[in-house]
Amino acid sequence: EAQVTQNPRYLITVTGKKLTVTCSQNMNHEYMSWYRQDPGLGLRQIYYSMNVEVTDKGDVPEGYKVSRKEKRNFPLILESPSPNQTSLYFCASGEKTGPAFDTQYFGPGTRLTVL
Amino acid sequence: EDQVTQSPEALRLQEGESSSLNCSYTVSGLRGLFWYRQDPGKGPEFLFTLYSAGEEKEKERLKATLTKKESFLHITAPKPEDSATYLCAVQPRAGSYQLTFGKGTKLSVIP
Repeated sequence: EAQVTQNPRYLITVTGKKLTVTCSQNMNHEYMSWYRQDPGLGLRQIYYSMNVEVTDKGDVPEGYKVSRKEKRNFPLILESPSPNQTSLYFCASGEKTGPAFDTQYFGPGTRLTVL
Repeated sequence: EDQVTQSPEALRLQEGESSSLNCSYTVSGLRGLFWYRQDPGKGPEFLFTLYSAGEEKEKERLKATLTKKESFLHITAPKPEDSATYLCAVQPRAGSYQLTFGKGTKLSVIP
Protein backbone atom coordinates (compact mmCIF):
# COMPACT_ATOMS: atom_id res chain seq x y z
CA GLU A 1 0.00 0.00 0.00
CA ALA A 2 1.33 3.42 -1.00
CA GLN A 3 1.79 5.48 2.09
CA VAL A 4 3.63 8.21 3.95
CA THR A 5 4.29 7.47 7.60
CA GLN A 6 5.17 9.90 10.35
CA ASN A 7 6.38 9.28 13.87
CA PRO A 8 5.49 10.15 16.48
CA ARG A 9 1.84 11.02 15.87
CA TYR A 10 1.59 12.99 19.10
CA LEU A 11 4.36 14.67 21.07
CA ILE A 12 4.42 16.92 24.11
CA THR A 13 7.81 18.39 24.94
CA VAL A 14 9.41 21.33 26.71
CA THR A 15 11.12 24.41 25.37
CA GLY A 16 14.69 23.79 24.22
CA LYS A 17 14.63 19.99 24.14
CA LYS A 18 15.78 18.83 20.72
CA LEU A 19 13.40 16.58 18.86
CA THR A 20 13.09 14.80 15.52
CA VAL A 21 9.91 13.89 13.67
CA THR A 22 10.50 11.12 11.17
CA CYS A 23 8.86 10.79 7.77
CA SER A 24 9.11 7.84 5.43
CA GLN A 25 7.51 7.03 2.07
CA ASN A 26 7.37 3.73 0.18
CA MET A 27 6.62 5.08 -3.31
CA ASN A 28 10.17 5.90 -4.42
CA HIS A 29 9.17 9.55 -4.82
CA GLU A 30 11.88 12.13 -5.44
CA TYR A 31 9.99 15.03 -3.90
CA MET A 32 9.27 15.28 -0.18
CA SER A 33 8.07 18.19 1.88
CA TRP A 34 7.14 19.33 5.38
CA TYR A 35 4.20 21.57 6.27
CA ARG A 36 2.72 23.00 9.40
CA GLN A 37 -0.97 23.71 9.80
CA ASP A 38 -2.26 26.29 12.23
CA PRO A 39 -5.82 27.56 12.77
CA GLY A 40 -6.47 30.65 10.70
CA LEU A 41 -3.16 30.35 8.85
CA GLY A 42 -3.70 27.21 6.83
CA LEU A 43 -0.97 24.94 5.54
CA ARG A 44 2.47 26.50 5.22
CA GLN A 45 5.50 24.86 3.70
CA ILE A 46 8.58 24.54 5.93
CA TYR A 47 11.14 22.76 3.75
CA TYR A 48 11.10 20.59 0.69
CA SER A 49 13.52 18.24 -1.03
CA MET A 50 13.80 17.45 -4.70
CA ASN A 51 16.08 14.45 -4.19
CA VAL A 52 18.75 12.99 -1.94
CA GLU A 53 21.00 15.72 -0.53
CA VAL A 54 18.87 18.44 -2.22
CA THR A 55 16.75 20.57 0.10
CA ASP A 56 15.30 24.07 -0.05
CA LYS A 57 13.39 26.45 2.16
CA GLY A 58 9.66 26.92 2.04
CA ASP A 59 7.72 29.82 3.51
CA VAL A 60 8.47 29.25 7.20
CA PRO A 61 11.87 27.52 7.65
CA GLU A 62 13.05 29.40 10.75
CA GLY A 63 13.70 27.11 13.71
CA TYR A 64 13.66 23.91 11.65
CA LYS A 65 16.25 21.71 9.98
CA VAL A 66 15.87 18.84 7.56
CA SER A 67 18.10 16.26 5.97
CA ARG A 68 17.64 13.91 3.02
CA LYS A 69 20.27 11.20 3.18
CA GLU A 70 18.03 8.49 1.75
CA LYS A 71 15.31 8.80 -0.83
CA ARG A 72 12.59 7.33 1.38
CA ASN A 73 13.26 9.37 4.55
CA PHE A 74 12.97 13.08 5.29
CA PRO A 75 13.21 13.86 9.01
CA LEU A 76 12.25 17.22 10.49
CA ILE A 77 14.53 18.43 13.27
CA LEU A 78 13.71 21.05 15.88
CA GLU A 79 17.02 21.82 17.59
CA SER A 80 15.56 24.11 20.24
CA PRO A 81 11.76 23.99 20.13
CA SER A 82 9.75 26.98 21.29
CA PRO A 83 6.04 27.31 22.13
CA ASN A 84 5.35 29.04 18.79
CA GLN A 85 6.25 25.77 17.08
CA THR A 86 3.24 24.09 18.65
CA SER A 87 1.34 22.96 15.57
CA LEU A 88 0.08 20.09 13.43
CA TYR A 89 2.84 18.91 11.10
CA PHE A 90 2.41 17.06 7.83
CA CYS A 91 4.95 15.33 5.67
CA ALA A 92 4.20 14.73 1.99
CA SER A 93 5.80 13.07 -1.01
CA GLY A 94 5.14 13.35 -4.71
CA GLU A 95 6.40 12.67 -8.19
CA LYS A 96 6.72 15.09 -11.09
CA THR A 97 4.74 13.52 -13.90
CA GLY A 98 4.01 16.69 -15.87
CA PRO A 99 4.88 20.39 -15.76
CA ALA A 100 4.06 20.36 -12.07
CA PHE A 101 3.67 17.79 -9.36
CA ASP A 102 0.76 15.56 -10.09
CA THR A 103 -0.32 13.61 -7.05
CA GLN A 104 1.06 14.48 -3.66
CA TYR A 105 0.52 12.06 -0.80
CA PHE A 106 0.30 13.39 2.74
CA GLY A 107 1.10 11.60 5.95
CA PRO A 108 -1.35 11.35 8.86
CA GLY A 109 0.15 14.28 10.76
CA THR A 110 2.12 14.84 13.96
CA ARG A 111 0.55 16.98 16.65
CA LEU A 112 3.34 18.74 18.53
CA THR A 113 2.92 20.70 21.73
CA VAL A 114 5.87 22.66 23.12
CA LEU A 115 5.42 23.79 26.72
CA GLU B 1 4.66 37.24 -3.28
CA ASP B 2 2.41 34.35 -4.24
CA GLN B 3 -1.09 34.56 -2.79
CA VAL B 4 -4.03 32.19 -2.76
CA THR B 5 -7.45 33.28 -1.53
CA GLN B 6 -10.31 30.85 -1.14
CA SER B 7 -13.95 31.78 -0.77
CA PRO B 8 -16.23 31.34 0.94
CA GLU B 9 -14.54 30.35 4.19
CA ALA B 10 -17.47 28.10 5.02
CA LEU B 11 -20.41 26.80 3.02
CA ARG B 12 -23.47 24.90 4.14
CA LEU B 13 -25.46 23.07 1.48
CA GLN B 14 -28.50 20.87 1.54
CA GLU B 15 -27.92 17.43 0.09
CA GLY B 16 -28.36 17.70 -3.67
CA GLU B 17 -27.81 21.48 -3.75
CA SER B 18 -25.03 22.16 -6.26
CA SER B 19 -22.54 24.97 -5.73
CA SER B 20 -18.99 26.18 -6.44
CA LEU B 21 -15.93 26.97 -4.37
CA ASN B 22 -13.55 29.68 -5.53
CA CYS B 23 -9.76 29.88 -5.47
CA SER B 24 -8.22 33.18 -6.62
CA TYR B 25 -4.48 33.30 -7.07
CA THR B 26 -1.66 35.74 -7.69
CA VAL B 27 1.54 34.03 -8.73
CA SER B 28 4.57 34.77 -10.88
CA GLY B 29 3.66 32.32 -13.58
CA LEU B 30 1.82 29.11 -12.82
CA ARG B 31 3.26 25.65 -13.06
CA GLY B 32 0.25 23.97 -11.51
CA LEU B 33 -2.85 24.51 -9.37
CA PHE B 34 -3.92 21.78 -6.99
CA TRP B 35 -7.11 20.89 -5.17
CA TYR B 36 -7.12 18.78 -2.02
CA ARG B 37 -9.75 17.52 0.35
CA GLN B 38 -9.04 17.37 4.08
CA ASP B 39 -11.12 15.57 6.68
CA PRO B 40 -10.81 16.61 10.34
CA GLY B 41 -7.62 15.30 11.96
CA LYS B 42 -6.29 13.82 8.72
CA GLY B 43 -3.77 14.75 6.05
CA PRO B 44 -4.97 16.38 2.83
CA GLU B 45 -6.06 14.03 0.06
CA PHE B 46 -5.14 14.93 -3.50
CA LEU B 47 -8.03 15.62 -5.89
CA PHE B 48 -6.81 17.42 -9.04
CA THR B 49 -3.92 19.17 -10.73
CA LEU B 50 -4.66 21.84 -13.36
CA TYR B 51 -1.87 23.15 -15.55
CA SER B 52 -3.27 25.81 -17.87
CA ALA B 53 -6.23 28.14 -18.34
CA GLY B 54 -9.22 26.42 -19.86
CA GLU B 55 -8.37 23.05 -18.41
CA GLU B 56 -11.10 21.05 -16.64
CA LYS B 57 -10.97 17.83 -14.63
CA GLU B 58 -13.74 15.73 -13.13
CA LYS B 59 -14.03 13.11 -10.45
CA GLU B 60 -17.42 11.80 -9.37
CA ARG B 61 -19.44 14.85 -8.21
CA LEU B 62 -16.47 17.23 -8.41
CA LYS B 63 -15.30 19.28 -11.37
CA ALA B 64 -12.35 21.65 -11.27
CA THR B 65 -11.81 24.45 -13.77
CA LEU B 66 -9.00 26.97 -14.25
CA THR B 67 -8.76 30.49 -15.63
CA LYS B 68 -5.78 32.85 -15.63
CA LYS B 69 -6.77 34.29 -12.26
CA GLU B 70 -8.89 31.71 -10.48
CA SER B 71 -10.05 28.17 -10.19
CA PHE B 72 -13.46 26.79 -9.33
CA LEU B 73 -14.38 23.53 -7.71
CA HIS B 74 -17.93 22.71 -8.74
CA ILE B 75 -19.84 20.25 -6.60
CA THR B 76 -22.86 18.69 -8.28
CA ALA B 77 -25.62 17.18 -6.16
CA PRO B 78 -23.44 16.88 -3.06
CA LYS B 79 -23.88 14.17 -0.45
CA PRO B 80 -23.12 14.35 3.29
CA GLU B 81 -19.88 12.40 2.71
CA ASP B 82 -18.62 15.34 0.64
CA SER B 83 -18.41 17.37 3.85
CA ALA B 84 -14.77 18.34 4.35
CA THR B 85 -12.38 21.26 4.02
CA TYR B 86 -11.28 21.84 0.43
CA LEU B 87 -7.82 23.30 -0.07
CA CYS B 88 -6.34 25.00 -3.11
CA ALA B 89 -2.59 25.38 -3.70
CA VAL B 90 -0.37 26.85 -6.41
CA GLN B 91 3.11 26.01 -7.61
CA PRO B 92 4.84 28.93 -9.35
CA ARG B 93 6.73 28.62 -12.61
CA ALA B 94 9.84 30.37 -11.38
CA GLY B 95 11.94 27.24 -11.00
CA SER B 96 10.70 26.65 -7.48
CA TYR B 97 8.91 23.70 -6.00
CA GLN B 98 7.37 25.73 -3.24
CA LEU B 99 3.66 25.31 -2.78
CA THR B 100 1.43 28.08 -1.45
CA PHE B 101 -1.90 26.99 0.03
CA GLY B 102 -5.11 28.88 0.57
CA LYS B 103 -6.83 28.70 3.94
CA GLY B 104 -9.53 26.43 2.65
CA THR B 105 -13.31 26.28 2.37
CA LYS B 106 -15.12 24.21 4.96
CA LEU B 107 -18.05 22.50 3.27
CA SER B 108 -20.94 21.03 5.25
CA VAL B 109 -23.60 19.06 3.41
CA ILE B 110 -26.77 18.63 5.42
CA PRO B 111 -28.96 15.54 4.79
